[in-house]
Amino acid sequence: AQRVTQPEKLLSVFKGAPVELKCNYSYSGSPELFWYVQYSRQRLQLLLRHISRESIKGFTADLNKGETSFHLKKPFAQEEDSAMYYCALTQANTGFQKLVFGTGTRLLVSP
Amino acid sequence: EADIYQTPRYLVIGTGKKITLECSQTMGHDKMYWYQQDPGMELHLIHYSYGVNSTEKGDLSSESTVSRIRTEHFPLTLESARPSHTSQYLCASSVTGGPGGELFFGEGSRLTVL
Repeated sequence: AQRVTQPEKLLSVFKGAPVELKCNYSYSGSPELFWYVQYSRQRLQLLLRHISRESIKGFTADLNKGETSFHLKKPFAQEEDSAMYYCALTQANTGFQKLVFGTGTRLLVSP
Repeated sequence: EADIYQTPRYLVIGTGKKITLECSQTMGHDKMYWYQQDPGMELHLIHYSYGVNSTEKGDLSSESTVSRIRTEHFPLTLESARPSHTSQYLCASSVTGGPGGELFFGEGSRLTVL
């Protein structure tokens, strides 16, 4: 069965500190992994996808198939990074984006 | 402006009432979805559609029903609301051939059944 686990409900850091939001998954096939973000009073939106190997707003995420992890990292957190972050997966090479989401981690960056 | 709209944003209703949550998108997307999310929990896919007159149930069983008569419209209906239906319902859309995994979400409809 497909499952996404985000072990931390809340992660609180100070501005300028490194951030790592953990995501582990279980999936029998070949998954595609994503991070979605929801800022206060805004909609849920895509932050980044592993296949793009991109850095968005200073965030990066590396897919580790051996550890079945897709942790989200940023070297220096900013106050505007405070938001709810969801890890999600879908089956690779499908034309239908049925995403499975984790429970989310709230990131709070204090000044 | 291309967008996805959900109404109502908030609804408080009594047990046994019929409710319809509206979702419309002007993005020209062919695929649409309904997710349900309880507080502090993950989003669960309850319905999806890959085009007009095509609907499927998602991974989480739901007593709600959906219809897709027009490309831009994907309403969700509960014939007889119960307190167990209290939740947030998120509508989303995506386009075939677009970058994989990108769903565009509405603002959500928060339903409370008394």
